[in-house]
Amino acid sequence: QKEVEQDPGPLSVPEGAIVSLNCTYSNSAFQYFMWYRQYSRKGPELLMYTYSSGNKEDGRFTAQVDKSSKYISLFIRDSQPSDSATYLCAMSSVNTGGFKTIFGAGTRLFVKA
Amino acid sequence: KAGVTQTPRYLIKTRGQQVTLSCSPISGHRSVSWYQQTPGQGLQFLFEYFSETQRNKGNFPGRFSGRQFSNSRSEMNVSTLELGDSALYLCASSLEGQILAFFGQGTRLTVV
Repeated sequence: QKEVEQDPGPLSVPEGAIVSLNCTYSNSAFQYFMWYRQYSRKGPELLMYTYSSGNKEDGRFTAQVDKSSKYISLFIRDSQPSDSATYLCAMSSVNTGGFKTIFGAGTRLFVKA
Repeated sequence: KAGVTQTPRYLIKTRGQQVTLSCSPISGHRSVSWYQQTPGQGLQFLFEYFSETQRNKGNFPGRFSGRQFSNSRSEMNVSTLELGDSALYLCASSLEGQILAFFGQGTRLTVV
C-alpha cells in the first residue's frame, strides 16, 4: 500500500463547476499537507498548505484536512479552463533529518469552456 | 528574485551512458531536493541535500547519486542509464525548516 493514494483521473468538469480533489494517507506522522498544481511541461507550484487538521481558504480554493480519517481534500469553486492541470497532494513529516515529503500520483483535471 | 533553475531542460541519452543534471536553487536556500516524475509512479523522492551533506535518500539504486556545492548548487548523476530512467527530473529548493515551495521546470530525460 502506498503512503499516499490519489485518484489519477482524469476528471472532466464544465466551467463554473465545483471541483473536489482528494487524497488518503496511511502515515499518522504527517504534519504538513500540501496541494500543488502542475501545468504541462512545467514544474509543480505550491497552491496551499495546511499544518495539522482544519480548513484553509484562498480565493476560489479551499483545503481541508481530516487527520482522524487520514483524508485531505482540495475544493475549487467556480472552476475555470485555466484551472486545467494536474493537481498533486503531498504530505510532510519532520524529523531530525529535516522534512520527508511524499507526493500523490496527481489528478488530471480538465475544465471545459 | 530568480527561481529554481534546472539545466538542461531536455536530454536524450543512449542506454549505458551516464548523465549529469544541474539545479541552481533560489538565492539563500540551502536545501535542495530531487524527485523523479513518471506517469505511472508520480513524484518519487531521490535525495535531499543541505549544506553540502546528503540528509535523506529515497529508494533508488546506487546508479543515482548527487552532490551539493558550497554555493548550494546541486547536481545529480545517473550512471549506466536504463530505458526505465526516462522521466522528468525535478529539483526543489527551500529554506531550512520549510516545506517544498519552489520547484524548477525540470529536466526531461529520454533514454533510447
